[in-house]
Amino acid sequence: EAQVTQNPRYLITVTGKKLTVTCSQNMNHEYMSWYRQDPGLGLRQIYYSMNVEVTDKGDVPEGYKVSRKEKRNFPLILESPSPNQTSLYFCASSLGTSRGYTDTQYFGPGTRLTVL
Amino acid sequence: TQLLEQSPQFLSIQEGENLTVYCNSSSVFSSLQWYRQEPGEGPVLLVTVVTGGEVKKLKRLTFQFGDARKDSSLHITAAQPGDTGLYLCAGRGSSNTGKLIFGQGTTLQVKP
Repeated sequence: EAQVTQNPRYLITVTGKKLTVTCSQNMNHEYMSWYRQDPGLGLRQIYYSMNVEVTDKGDVPEGYKVSRKEKRNFPLILESPSPNQTSLYFCASSLGTSRGYTDTQYFGPGTRLTVL
Repeated sequence: TQLLEQSPQFLSIQEGENLTVYCNSSSVFSSLQWYRQEPGEGPVLLVTVVTGGEVKKLKRLTFQFGDARKDSSLHITAAQPGDTGLYLCAGRGSSNTGKLIFGQGTTLQVKP
């Protein structure tokens, strides 16, 4: 089944304890992206990757890191989490090869992170 | 910074009513997408509009991209309880990068 998977789905942690949220897709997509969703703010893009070894900042990259060493994986790293990073996080992927990158973006199920 | 203002943020209507959700910006977008999200799940793409003035229909849903590609609307005819959910618009900048800007979302509740 074609899908985007995220792990963990739920995570409660404490301030300053490094964590990684994994994202994997099995559709051979070139484009992958991370978003956070907060009430009243919609989704805000954190980082995106057009292809392997190519990453770029979205609108809210502060406090996050990403890497794209393989096409299928795009982990999100919080080196020193803080309470304001408590949020619902979504990973997404798309083919990324069609004109204008207007192709369908597939979202993972989300990771609910709480930083105490 | 490009922004997308979505309105209304909340909408509660009776089954059978019509409604329109708006997505406005002062910036030009190369494309605009509409997503629907249900609780506990990720957003699911409904439609992508690319050309100024473009109108697309998906059953009872009609999507329109403004002539200047700065705004879009979603119109639902004869809403049903199954239409309940969070509707999000998302625009891709005219410089055609991988950046995607989302509106704040519209929470729609359709009562039977």
